[in-house]
Formats: sequence, structure tokens, C-alpha cells
Amino acid sequence: GESVGLHLPTLSVQEGDNSIINCAYSNSASDYFIWYKQESGKGPQFIIDIRSNMDKRQGQRVTVLLNKTVKHLSLQIAATQPGDSAVYFCAENRHSGGYQKVTFGTGTKLQVIP
Amino acid sequence: SAVISQKPSRDICQRGTSLTIQCQVDSQVTMMFWYRQQPGQSLTLIATANQGSEATYESGFVIDKFPISRPNLTFSTLTVSNMSPEDSSIYLCSVINTGQGGEKLFFGSGTQLSVL
Repeated sequence: GESVGLHLPTLSVQEGDNSIINCAYSNSASDYFIWYKQESGKGPQFIIDIRSNMDKRQGQRVTVLLNKTVKHLSLQIAATQPGDSAVYFCAENRHSGGYQKVTFGTGTKLQVIP
Repeated sequence: SAVISQKPSRDICQRGTSLTIQCQVDSQVTMMFWYRQQPGQSLTLIATANQGSEATYESGFVIDKFPISRPNLTFSTLTVSNMSPEDSSIYLCSVINTGQGGEKLFFGSGTQLSVL
């Protein structure tokens, strides 16, 4: 079946180090991918997105890499800070007949060690 | 980005009762969705709220249990009916404004529901 999943449920990183969060997807027809950050007690917040015709996209301290050959997505956070501690979700947006549907992966909890 | 207000933000309910959650957006949006997030888990799409017509439900979710209204382009409600402890979750309203070519999903803060 279709799924968007993550490799690691929890990731602990020392403050100042780089973080890499991975995600696998199974629907080769997906054309748009998004990373969300969810802090405790809040709804998910958009971080960065990438279209299927791109391999890499950079934001402020974050980079998303897309490998369509192996259906793999990753989020890299440079110089991780305590404020980056949260749960991170990858998601795919599929378009069908004028409608859109966003499916979320399992989630990875990022713990930043001061 | 759209500002989404949900209420109540949290509630504790008795088994067998129903709760209606309201979602108000500060601008007109084309698509509104309701998600459920069970404790420690990811988000699962319940349904797409369609303006002026019946909602489109995902597999495993039915209208009798989760009736949805969407009377206009800025407002929607989700009712959790005949609740049981298994319904204890965070319920999230979200929107996409395709009218401006948007694909990003924006979320409210959610409603944390506990059923005793």
C-alpha cells in the first residue's frame, strides 16, 4: 500500500552539531514533499518543501534532499539549537482530479542535548 | 499564511457523549481538512470538508461517527459522536488555499480531547 515512513523514531543530537532526519516514501507518483515541525501542544508548522523535479532545496539552516531513485527524503538541520527540539514529519502532497491530499509519515523526535 | 482558530483547545468528556469542534479561518480558503493525531503518533486524515456538500471521508472514518459541516469558505465543524476512550486524541483543522496556487497545508493548534 501507499505509505510515507521514517527510519528513526528518536534522534539525539549535541547542540551545534548537524541533524539529519530521514524519510522513505512508496508512492512514485508523489510530486510534492513537505517537512513539518511540531512542538509540544502545537499544530505542525511548515519548514521546507521540495518538488519532485528537484534534488535539493535550501532554506535558513535547513536543507531538504530528494532521491527519487530510492524514494528517499531527508531533512538536514545545520548547527542544531535547543529550539529545534520537536517532532519532525515528512509529508507528501498528491494531486488527484483537482483535489489535494497530504499524507504524513511516522515522525521523528529530535532531542537536542545542550 | 492563513490564521486558523480552533475551539475548544481541550476538553474532557464522558463516554457516550458528543463534542463539536469549531474551526475558523481568517481568510477564504478552498480546501479544509480534519486530521486526528493519537498520542505519540502521526497525523491521520479523517476527511476533506467540502463547502456546500458532504465531506469526503478516508478509509476507516464514517459520517455517522465524525459528521462534518462546512457552511462557507472560512468555517468548518467536526463532531466526534458517541465517544469512547479510544477517541482520545488531538483533532486538527488544516487548510490549503489552492485559489492562490497554494499546496502548503496550514494547521490550527488543535483540540486535545480526553474521553473518560
